[in-house]
Amino acid sequence: GAVVSQHPSRVICKSGTSVKIECRSLDFQATTMFWYRQFPKQSLMLMATSNEGSKATYEQGVEKDKFLINHASLTLSTLTVTSAHPEDSSFYICSASSPRGREETQYFGPGTRLLVL
Amino acid sequence: DAKTTQPPSMDCAEGRAANLPCNHSTISGNEYVYWYRQIHSQGPQYIIHGLKNNETNEMASLIITEDRKSSTLILPHATLRDTAVYYCIVRVRYNAGNMLTFGGGTRLMVKP
Repeated sequence: GAVVSQHPSRVICKSGTSVKIECRSLDFQATTMFWYRQFPKQSLMLMATSNEGSKATYEQGVEKDKFLINHASLTLSTLTVTSAHPEDSSFYICSASSPRGREETQYFGPGTRLLVL
Repeated sequence: DAKTTQPPSMDCAEGRAANLPCNHSTISGNEYVYWYRQIHSQGPQYIIHGLKNNETNEMASLIITEDRKSSTLILPHATLRDTAVYYCIVRVRYNAGNMLTFGGGTRLMVKP
């Protein structure tokens, strides 16, 4: 199946700093990528839809100026958490769609665990 | 997308079949049933999907009732590595523009 990677896998930062998370589709091109957030013992919550070459679409309640998304190429989307606060500590997961073959589904990255001190 | 209902948790003995139910009584005719699972601290993994016919792949089988209001994911010989949260998602046939909406899922614990 298609492979999606994320970097870093784990990051610790100080409150007020910014953190960038990369999501890459390794063996396929993805015009659309999705960013999710997951708090402990909760389900995944969609944050935004990232479209290559255009602005991201944010879900209600997600601050677009705080969570900057850039989808500059068909294999890379980045999520930047600006001015991070402890409440932003969470597990961030991206996904990308693979249009190849008979499988039309989303493939998820391994996630990035963010801890803001 | 139709709402799904799953039991919050289930136990299964190692080597036995794990049958995970999902109710989706408001499913529409053009909506598919997708199953994903999430092992602790990892991203979700696609398992299987179907419309109305039963489906089988190397990971699992999907049984959908004739009225399509419920389905069951079957792991034929559960192993300890199958311990995970299993999500049943109902949505129109996937295309690149649509996201997945995750519910609470079923936390499956496979015990030795």
